[in-house]
Amino acid sequence: DTGVSQDPRHKITKRGQNVTFRCDPISEHNRLYWYRQTLGQGPEFLTYFQNEAQLEKSRLLSDRFSAERPKGSFSTLEIQRTEQGDSAMYLCASSPPRGDGSTEAFFGQGTRLTVV
Amino acid sequence: GEDVEQSLFLSVREGDSSVINCTYTDSSSTYLYWYKQEPGAGLQLLTYIFSNMDMKQDQRLTVLLNKKDKHLSLRIADTQTGDSAIYFCAESRSGGYNKLIFGAGTRLAVHP
Repeated sequence: DTGVSQDPRHKITKRGQNVTFRCDPISEHNRLYWYRQTLGQGPEFLTYFQNEAQLEKSRLLSDRFSAERPKGSFSTLEIQRTEQGDSAMYLCASSPPRGDGSTEAFFGQGTRLTVV
Repeated sequence: GEDVEQSLFLSVREGDSSVINCTYTDSSSTYLYWYKQEPGAGLQLLTYIFSNMDMKQDQRLTVLLNKKDKHLSLRIADTQTGDSAIYFCAESRSGGYNKLIFGAGTRLAVHP
């Protein structure tokens, strides 16, 4: 399967613990996005990578959140000192470069985080 | 603002057409998208339209865009039970690294 892969699919953690999620994009895609989705809402943009460069971060991404994409391949999203409000589905998407400026984003199935 | 708004729920009879509506506020939107999300599955891109177009058809799907009113719609012809899902409208803007800004989604329920 050559789709976007996320690991783990589910994570339950105690408040205050750190968690790290991984995303493996489609191999030829240079753009990678992280989104967060809570129940009954659409995905909210968190951060964007073009190759290994993190070019944009949402103000939703507090100091406790950090994302990396070493070597422009897989990406990790770390949340430090988790809070109950961090409980959500974390979605990763990748897209190829498009000359027309559109974004053909392919989404992974997400990592569901529950903070107890 | 960055609002993309959709009605929350739509119920249709199998075989009828479904029309899902979306409004957006930012006139700098360059592309508008429709995504489908089924339970336990990731978001699937259905179709998208460039902001200079007013219509796009792709098999059973027809997208209409009224740029003046900032209104987007998705029509699904001959709706089937397999079309039951949440449909998200999204926009991207020039200069915004093509990130997608989503609405809250419309839950489509198809009944016999």
